Amino acid sequence: DQQVKQNSPSLSVQEGRISILNCDYTNSMFDYFLWYKKYPAEGPTFLISISSIKDKNEDGRFTVFLNKSAKHLSLHIVPSQPGDSAVYFCAARPFSSGSARQLTFGSGTQLTVLP
Amino acid sequence: DTGVSQDPRHKITKRGQNVTFRCDPISEHNRLYWYRQTLGQGPEFLTYFQNEAQLEKSRLLSDRFSAERPKGSFSTLEIQRTEQGDSAMYLCASSFDWDSTYEQYFGPGTRLTVT
Repeated sequence: DQQVKQNSPSLSVQEGRISILNCDYTNSMFDYFLWYKKYPAEGPTFLISISSIKDKNEDGRFTVFLNKSAKHLSLHIVPSQPGDSAVYFCAARPFSSGSARQLTFGSGTQLTVLP
Repeated sequence: DTGVSQDPRHKITKRGQNVTFRCDPISEHNRLYWYRQTLGQGPEFLTYFQNEAQLEKSRLLSDRFSAERPKGSFSTLEIQRTEQGDSAMYLCASSFDWDSTYEQYFGPGTRLTVT
């Protein structure tokens, strides 16, 4: 039962253009969403996050959009650079009154930015 | 502080052997997580510590797996009687209790190959 889905295993974009990575979720209890970037032989690195009370969050070239009614979020990278080539994971955290705060990850999208 | 470190980075073992991995979190982080990542998938939650207390375990953590975090600092993950299905990347992450972004900081992982 995949609660967080990234349906595009790969995406290729020309340098300078916009990259749009998509993520869908099924669990209504998720209240916080994060994007991580992963280079080969390294652990995932936090990129940007968004709370369920917001619909947009920006940080430099990166913007995350959240559509709660559609249970969909997307990461926009503008302009895309060759150094952005990596695997991007969408992750979600459930609201919980207890102590558990584990993240549920999607399967990732390999972004390739072509020079 | 250089971030989360894990040792070893790679481990090759024969089926039936026991292996132990170590994770050193960022020093001021009180939360520590173990995840497992297989090829083409995102990280999957295994277990979580708050200080020295192990507060949650995933169903993925069979009785052959045991994790400890003595004194609330470094953590170890032991797999007994390894099976080929245990081959994966084992990731450790740490975080603050009070970090409003809920970001988890990941180590580089230990890649386990069971032959």
